[in-house]
This record gives sequence, structure tokens and C-alpha cells, in this order.
Amino acid sequence: DAMVIQNPRYQVTQFGKPVTLSCSQTLNHNVMYWYQQKSSQAPKLLFHYYDKDFNNEADTPDNFQSRRPNTSFCFLDIRSPGLGDAAMYLCATSRDRDGGALKQYFGPGTRLTVT
Amino acid sequence: GESVGLHLPTLSVQEGDNSIINCAYSNSASDYFIWYKQESGKGPQFIIDIRSNMDKRQGQRVTVLLNKTVKHLSLQIAATQPGDSAVYFCAETSLYSGYSTLTFGKGTMLLVSP
Repeated sequence: DAMVIQNPRYQVTQFGKPVTLSCSQTLNHNVMYWYQQKSSQAPKLLFHYYDKDFNNEADTPDNFQSRRPNTSFCFLDIRSPGLGDAAMYLCATSRDRDGGALKQYFGPGTRLTVT
Repeated sequence: GESVGLHLPTLSVQEGDNSIINCAYSNSASDYFIWYKQESGKGPQFIIDIRSNMDKRQGQRVTVLLNKTVKHLSLQIAATQPGDSAVYFCAETSLYSGYSTLTFGKGTMLLVSP
């Protein structure tokens, strides 16, 4: 089945130690998104890639970076994780960015713990 | 660790009851709306969508109602089952104003007891 895959499902990192979360998709969608979701809150968009075009949200901290080496893969890099970065990180894809192709498909998420 | 989260609005129902989850959206330019279901520890799962040229759309056991006058969206679940227990988010966007991204509402937790 076509899907959005996130690895690992659970990640523990130390305060200040860089960490990378990965996302892959078999849907062949043009757009990939990264969201941060804290407990009992709605997902918050960090940034998205439209093909190779990177689009950062205005309030996304510089500590968060992303890479999309090809259509299928997208990475979230947290350069110096703080305790406040502990959250669920969700990857999503959509076929396009407008019209009826905007429906987003989510992966299962990676739960990040910072010790 | 994580900062303390907000308390989600919670709807508690008995199995077999009909559930209605409400959402007020903020942007009068939004013309496309999606309901997502998120079970504990999982990513959001698409349930149903509706465009602003419609007032009502039905799926399997679910109905979405849209009232553009008061910017209100609701999700009705018929014959609610324990497997429906989850957090439900509405999301809004504008389809044809250049590119757009989804804006999520706060979420409602649905608890279904047997």
C-alpha cells in the first residue's frame, strides 16, 4: 500500500545533541511537510518542500532544518535539541499545493524525548 | 520534557449514540475543510472533506456540515463505537489563492464508553 513512513517511531536524544528524523513516501507526492505536535495541541507546521523548493514558516526556530534529497525522502534535523523540543514530529505529504490536491496524508509520527 | 499541554475539549458518549463534534474556523477566505481523526500515538488520519460550495457531505457513518455564515463546521458520527475514541481535528485552507497550507483547529477528544 502507498504510504508515509517515519523512522524511528521513538527517538531519545540528549540536550544539545543533534538528531535527525526521517520520512519516506511511496505516494510520489510533490509536497512533503513537517509538523511539530505537543501534548493535547494541534499539529504546528514547521516547513514544507514543494518538489525541491523549501518553504519555512515564519515562526520556525533556526534550530530546525530540513533536507529533501529526492522525491521520496525528507529529513528533519534538530541541531541543538532543547527540552522544549520534546514532541511528536509528524511528516505529511500532498500531491500538490492547491486545488483538490491539497489533502494531506500523515505518517505515524516520531516521538522525540530530550533528556 | 514536554511543556504542559492545554486541556482538550472532551465529548463523552455511550456506544451507539450519535456524536457531534464542532469546530469554529477563523478565516472567511477558507474554502476547503478537512476532518482528521488522531488516535493516541498515531498520526492524523483523513476522515472526510468538504468544499465551500457545499453545505453537507456524507461518508460512511460520518456527515460534515458547513455553515459559512457563522464560520462553523461540524462532524456527526452515527452509532458511535469504542473504536471512534480519538482526538478529532478540523483543518481549513484556501484552495485557489496561490499555494496554501492547512490550519488546524484545537481538537476535540471523543471518549466512547461501552
